[in-house]
Amino acid sequence: AQSVTQLGSHVSVSEGALVLLRCNYSSSVPPYLFWYVQYPNQGLQLLLKYTSAATLVKGINGFEAEFKKSETSFHLTKPSAHMSDAAEYFCAVSEANDYKLSFGAGTTVTVRA
Amino acid sequence: DAGVTQSPTHLIKTRGQQVTLRCSPKSGHDTVSWYQQALGQGPQFIFQYYEEEERQRGNFPDRFSGHQFPNYSSELNVNALLLGDSALYLCASSQPGGRNTGELFFGEGSRLTVL
Repeated sequence: AQSVTQLGSHVSVSEGALVLLRCNYSSSVPPYLFWYVQYPNQGLQLLLKYTSAATLVKGINGFEAEFKKSETSFHLTKPSAHMSDAAEYFCAVSEANDYKLSFGAGTTVTVRA
Repeated sequence: DAGVTQSPTHLIKTRGQQVTLRCSPKSGHDTVSWYQQALGQGPQFIFQYYEEEERQRGNFPDRFSGHQFPNYSSELNVNALLLGDSALYLCASSQPGGRNTGELFFGEGSRLTVL
């Protein structure tokens, strides 16, 4: 069985500061890992994905995430927050023999001017 | 290039009623998945349709059913609505064959309120 835990339901950062969103997963086999972003009143959009290639994954809008198998983590970072980064972020996991994504509960990011 | 489109965007129903939600996948996609997103939670997988068949189902009761048409569009039906069915229902499409690379393209959702 696969599951995702996102630490912190709400993160507030100043514009220009580091954004760090934490995600830990459990999976019985090597997983696929994803970060999705949801802007208000919109559907989810893929930020980046890990599929067993490089452990450091670069995504859109300056985000990146590092897969750490020993820690079962896939934390999302962005060096410098922008006001447009305010949104809800979801970590998700899937397995190669599975068609569904299992999402975490989400982390809402607010950016202070 | 049209993305995933869903209708209706909002609807209100009463307990016990039935609802049908519709989804057209992104052009070139043949696989459609449905997710339920309750307020303040992450999306929960309902089921996936491929080649007009339900290929995988999540932990949802039989009141939730679906259909996929030859043009790859899909419907989600919910019978005997409960208050707890109030949620945002998201449709997502993926590439031909539906092998799980996880790159789902989501619509903006249908927000269902059950009174």
